[in-house]
Amino acid sequence: AQSVTQPDIHITVSEGASLELRCNYSYGATPYLFWYVQSPGQGLQLLLKYFSGDTLVQGIKGFEAEFKRSQSSFNLRKPSVHWSDAAEYFCAVGLYNFNKFYFGSGTKLNVKP
Amino acid sequence: EPEVTQTPSHQVTQMGQEVILRCVPISNHLYFYWYRQILGQKVEFLVSFYNNEISEKSEIFDDQFSVERPDGSNFTLKIRSTKLEDSAMYFCASLADRNYGYTFGSGTRLTVV
Repeated sequence: AQSVTQPDIHITVSEGASLELRCNYSYGATPYLFWYVQSPGQGLQLLLKYFSGDTLVQGIKGFEAEFKRSQSSFNLRKPSVHWSDAAEYFCAVGLYNFNKFYFGSGTKLNVKP
Repeated sequence: EPEVTQTPSHQVTQMGQEVILRCVPISNHLYFYWYRQILGQKVEFLVSFYNNEISEKSEIFDDQFSVERPDGSNFTLKIRSTKLEDSAMYFCASLADRNYGYTFGSGTRLTVV
C-alpha cells in the first residue's frame, strides 16, 4: 500500500539557520510528489512539486526539495529560515491517475528568534 | 491568482443534523476532491469527482456522505446525519490536469456538538 512518512513531528530551528524536513514514500512507481504548508487555522498552500525531470525542484518562499529515487525520499530544504516560516509542513504523494493524494502526518516547524 | 472558495469557514451543528459544505472550484478545473483533517491528525482523502461522477472514495466516505456538482460551479459535500467524530476541517481541492498540484480551499471547520 502507498504511504508517506514524515519522521519528524516537531522541529525547532533558529531564525537564519538552515532547514531540512524529511519525507519518505512507499509506492511501486515514481509518484508525483508535493510539499504543502499550512499555517494555523488556514488551508494548504502548495510549496513545490515534482513530476519528472530535474530532481532538484524550486518552490515558493525560497524552498527547494530533492527527489532521490534510491532513497524514496523527497526532502524539503531552505538555506535560511525566517520567523514567518513557522507552520506545519505536509509531504504528499499523488498517484498516476490523480484520483487521490496520500499525505504524511506533517512536521510542525517552530522558529526561535 | 485563482482560488478555491469554501463556505462557511466554520459551522457548528448538532449531532444527527444534516450539513452541506460548499466549495467553488477554480473555473477551468476538471477534477474535484474532498479531504478532511481531524484536529492534530493527518489530512485524509474522502472522495474524488470527475466528469460528474465519483472516481474514487475512501472507507470514510460511507452512505452518510454524498457529493454533488449541481450547477457546474459549486461542488458540495453533504453529511446526512452528523456524528461527533465528523468534527474536522474539511478541505475542497480542484485540479486542472496532471501538470499542476491540487489547489486547496481554506477549509470549513465543522464542529458537531
